[in-house]
Amino acid sequence: DTGVSQDPRHKITKRGQNVTFRCDPISEHNRLYWYRQTLGQGPEFLTYFQNEAQLEKSRLLSDRFSAERPKGSFSTLEIQRTEQGDSAMYLCASSQGGQGDQPQHFGDGTRLSIL
Amino acid sequence: GENVEQHPSTLSVQEGDSAVIKCTYSDSASNYFPWYKQELGKRPQLIIDIRSNVGEKKDQRIAVTLNKTAKHFSLHITETQPEDSAVYFCAASRNSGGSNYKLTFGKGTLLTVNP
Repeated sequence: DTGVSQDPRHKITKRGQNVTFRCDPISEHNRLYWYRQTLGQGPEFLTYFQNEAQLEKSRLLSDRFSAERPKGSFSTLEIQRTEQGDSAMYLCASSQGGQGDQPQHFGDGTRLSIL
Repeated sequence: GENVEQHPSTLSVQEGDSAVIKCTYSDSASNYFPWYKQELGKRPQLIIDIRSNVGEKKDQRIAVTLNKTAKHFSLHITETQPEDSAVYFCAASRNSGGSNYKLTFGKGTLLTVNP
């Protein structure tokens, strides 16, 4: 399967714990995005990487959130000191670089539940 | 920033009828408009997209129209089938020098096709 893969699919944790999610983009894609989706809403942009450079962070991304893409391949999203409001589906997407808009392809997401 | 409004929030049609979903956007610099289909518990899947230099695009039973002056775009599904039942999201992004291609999504339309 050459699609975007995310791990884990589900994460249940207690409030205050730290969690880390992983995203493996489509291999030739140099752009990687993180979105968050809550029930009944569309995905909301969190952050964007081009290769290993993090080029934009949404104001939704508080100081408790950090994302990395150390070698320009897979990415991790860490949430520290989780809160109830962090419960959501965290989606990763990737696209090719180059001129013009290239379609973003999404993974299945990681569903985070905070107890 | 960009704001995307999507209507209706729910749509129920009989099999074989057409379905139309409408979106408006606020940023006149937006120039790329994809549509995603999301089945319950699954990843958003790109079904069609349109760029601002095109007024209409068709792919079998699916078509998208764009009115740049009015800043709205629509998804048309003809000869609907039960497997078309899903949540549909419109999105917009701006692709110009230095932009990061992030997508701003509407809130989604739950389409139900009744056999």
